[in-house]
Amino acid sequence: NAGVMQNPRHLVRRRGQEARLRCSPMKGHSHVYWYRQLPEEGLKFMVYLQKENIIDESGMPKERFSAEFPKEGPSILRIQQVVRGDSAAYFCASSTRPEKDYGYTFGSGTRLTVV
Amino acid sequence: QKEVEQNSGPLSVPEGAIASLNCTYSDRVSQSFFWYRQYSGKSPELIMSIYSNGDKEDGRFTAQLNKASQYVSLLIRDSQPSDSATYLCAVNRAGSARQLTFGSGTQLTVLP
Repeated sequence: NAGVMQNPRHLVRRRGQEARLRCSPMKGHSHVYWYRQLPEEGLKFMVYLQKENIIDESGMPKERFSAEFPKEGPSILRIQQVVRGDSAAYFCASSTRPEKDYGYTFGSGTRLTVV
Repeated sequence: QKEVEQNSGPLSVPEGAIASLNCTYSDRVSQSFFWYRQYSGKSPELIMSIYSNGDKEDGRFTAQLNKASQYVSLLIRDSQPSDSATYLCAVNRAGSARQLTFGSGTQLTVLP
């Protein structure tokens, strides 16, 4: 029973390029959450998606960032025209439904470095 | 005021001692509380959850919650060098559809 799978583990992009981060939820999970951890900071919520729907994107920067969770395939966090400040670890988690009474499990993360 | 506050540390304790980690939160209607452990370069790992006032024990870990004081803590008994990590406190706000708010973490070092 594989856990939450994220790839790539490490991603290097030059300023102005696009970064695509993928998250495959645990089997049977239809809810995905993306968090970002900047160096020396705690995790910050970005977006919560169900299949084909964005439920809560209150933590997403207004520009350059987008997320999707299609009917088939992994969830994608897309960052256009990356800047150095986007360098961070991006973690994904999944759940069967938004139960309030348990903490969810994170994937191993994608560490984005913008050079 | 930060929504979830933790002492950043570093906190050092000798092996075998009790490590005490503290967390306060500002949103009075918060419902669920979690402790995650994060080793350097790794993803956060859920170690404890607590929802009601009082203590909850799991092995060497005890989580304590006091909603009136808006305070949650984690005690680690018989600390081991392998417990050395950053401990993140997380709070689920009511009505936030599963959004967790994290503190910035407390770095714990257990000295052999």
